Amino acid sequence: ETGVTQSPTHLIKTRGQQVTLRCSSQSGHNTVSWYQQALGQGPQFIFQYYREEENGRGNFPPRFSGLQFPNYSSELNVNALELDDSALYLCASRVGNTGELFFGEGSRLTVL
Amino acid sequence: AQSVTQPDIHITVSEGASLELRCNYSYGATPYLFWYVQSPGQGLQLLLKYFSGDTLVQGIKGFEAEFKRSQSSFNLRKPSVHWSDAAEYFCAVGLYTGGFKTIFGAGTRLFVKA
Repeated sequence: ETGVTQSPTHLIKTRGQQVTLRCSSQSGHNTVSWYQQALGQGPQFIFQYYREEENGRGNFPPRFSGLQFPNYSSELNVNALELDDSALYLCASRVGNTGELFFGEGSRLTVL
Repeated sequence: AQSVTQPDIHITVSEGASLELRCNYSYGATPYLFWYVQSPGQGLQLLLKYFSGDTLVQGIKGFEAEFKRSQSSFNLRKPSVHWSDAAEYFCAVGLYTGGFKTIFGAGTRLFVKA
């Protein structure tokens, strides 16, 4: 039990639509990271928020955006969905700017 | 560019046999190093981590890993594998590059045969 919960667990969208994925972290975890994990691949870093500001980003286009809220929840938004966006999206949180990540179980997105 | 390499896509070992999963990283300085495990349909769970100090670190579930600076490696080991260890294992490095981020390798899937 990591104390990180994600919703929804599964969802299906069509190409061109928009999606919002949500994450609730443990109290005190002021850093949240989002990862995309395609089938058979390792998690790919999308971006990270520290105290509600983005402080790191991977090689993902601007249509991937996020928010972090003061209550330790966060969102990942993806606009103009493409078929290749189909993946497991993982949220992970931690205390401070370094150290181990605590992962949620992910949201599996299928884009048709 | 920084990278994490896990050379073995999958490994099969017999229950009770020893295990070593390989990990190499490419980074100018000594990064923070981690091993995570992912069971099917689950999120990732931390097995162990190395930040500094003793280069042999102990983790949960009987796993250990050794940091070798000269080889840029952080291999995971277990002396006796149990059937419940079958899962996907990810090596990861934490580093400062425009903010602190954790980068994962592609993973090694472990199969355990009776």
